[in-house]
Amino acid sequence: KQEVTQIPAALSVPEGENLVLNCSFTDSAIYNLQWFRQDPGKGLTSLLLIQSSQREQTSGRLNASLDKSSGRSTLYIAASQPGDSATYLCAASGGGADGLTFGKGTHLIIQP
Amino acid sequence: KAGVTQTPRYLIKTRGQQVTLSCSPISGHRSVSWYQQTPGQGLQFLFEYFSETQRNKGNFPGRFSGRQFSNSRSEMNVSTLELGDSALYLCASSSTVTGRFTTEQFFGPGTRLTVL
Repeated sequence: KQEVTQIPAALSVPEGENLVLNCSFTDSAIYNLQWFRQDPGKGLTSLLLIQSSQREQTSGRLNASLDKSSGRSTLYIAASQPGDSATYLCAASGGGADGLTFGKGTHLIIQP
Repeated sequence: KAGVTQTPRYLIKTRGQQVTLSCSPISGHRSVSWYQQTPGQGLQFLFEYFSETQRNKGNFPGRFSGRQFSNSRSEMNVSTLELGDSALYLCASSSTVTGRFTTEQFFGPGTRLTVL
């Protein structure tokens, strides 16, 4: 059974810092991995999708990497801004599970 | 292009009642998935529909059911509501499927269900 873990559970940093969020999964036979952000009481916004054959994807200040062999993905946020404050979730498709398997998320606060 | 829409946004029900939630996917998307989000369990997969057929199902009791219509709109139903069914129910759509898996999923704003 696929399990997804996100570390740290919470993170608070000053504005302008670069930061890395971590995601690990137990079954490397994934189809793809998605990163989302969720604002309080809202739905999920898709940030980046990495196919199993890819190593990384970039969108603006965001860069996500995937290392299937080690069962890890990272989300790099450059030059953080207060508007980046949200909960960030990673989700794996495949790995013996139906649907997306989500981590519990990293609650990120960017201090102005 | 309009995003995924869900109705209603908020619902309050009492134990034992049943409820139906609705989801309209992004135009042209044929796959609809449903998820339950609670503080304790996080996000959990309920089921997925593609071309009016349930393709995958998560580990939820039979009280949770769904269907998909020919226009790809989907409904999920929960019968005999329990207090533990209080959650945010999220619907996601994707354009197509590849074998067992969906392509990139786009989520709606969710329906907040409170069971009293």
